[in-house]
Amino acid sequence: KAGVTQTPRYLIKTRGQQVTLSCSPISGHRSVSWYQQTPGQGLQFLFEYFSETQRNKGNFPGRFSGRQFSNSRSEMNVSTLELGDSALYLCASSLALSGGSTDTQYFGPGTRLTVL
Amino acid sequence: GQSLEQPSEVTAVEGAIVQINCTYQTSGFYGLSWYQQHDGGAPTFLSYNALDGLEETGRFSSFLSRSDSYGYLLLQELQMKDSASYFCAVRDSGNTPLVFGKGTRLSVIA
Repeated sequence: KAGVTQTPRYLIKTRGQQVTLSCSPISGHRSVSWYQQTPGQGLQFLFEYFSETQRNKGNFPGRFSGRQFSNSRSEMNVSTLELGDSALYLCASSLALSGGSTDTQYFGPGTRLTVL
Repeated sequence: GQSLEQPSEVTAVEGAIVQINCTYQTSGFYGLSWYQQHDGGAPTFLSYNALDGLEETGRFSSFLSRSDSYGYLLLQELQMKDSASYFCAVRDSGNTPLVFGKGTRLSVIA
């Protein structure tokens, strides 16, 4: 079974631009979560989607948004990019059979975003 | 909210045993997880403890004490390939997101 895939793997943008990142979960997984990882800060939770609905949202400004499609694929968007948005953005999927969030999360390789 | 504390760096010798501690503060508690991440790689799941005690999976074991809000990951017979970052993570409840600690960078030396 294919793992979680994320596109693109690397991205360079300039301040003020916007960016869209894509995540395809493992087949059959219904929950998708997004994390931002920066050196020394660990993984910071952005949001979680389940059945096309945002179920949880982290403490990030409104410039960060996302959505989930009927096939469970998810996108996140960052508008008006700032230098501090440079990070590795990780997507994780889980089975969530019972609708809960407690299943093991399987991470994709991430998208490395650099903002100049 | 939740907070987790774990050492930022640990160094150990190949073949030895190392313990990585994690203390947490949560309003509720729905299990302690551990993930491993090699440089340039994706985090991968190692273990999950919902109840007090020790869970063993090969060379890796994870321990939880809910009364102490404390857990640890124990790595035995260390190998060079175990050099990676290790993250503990907790949930407040069954429908809240997984919150990660800042990670412990383990360096295994010869």
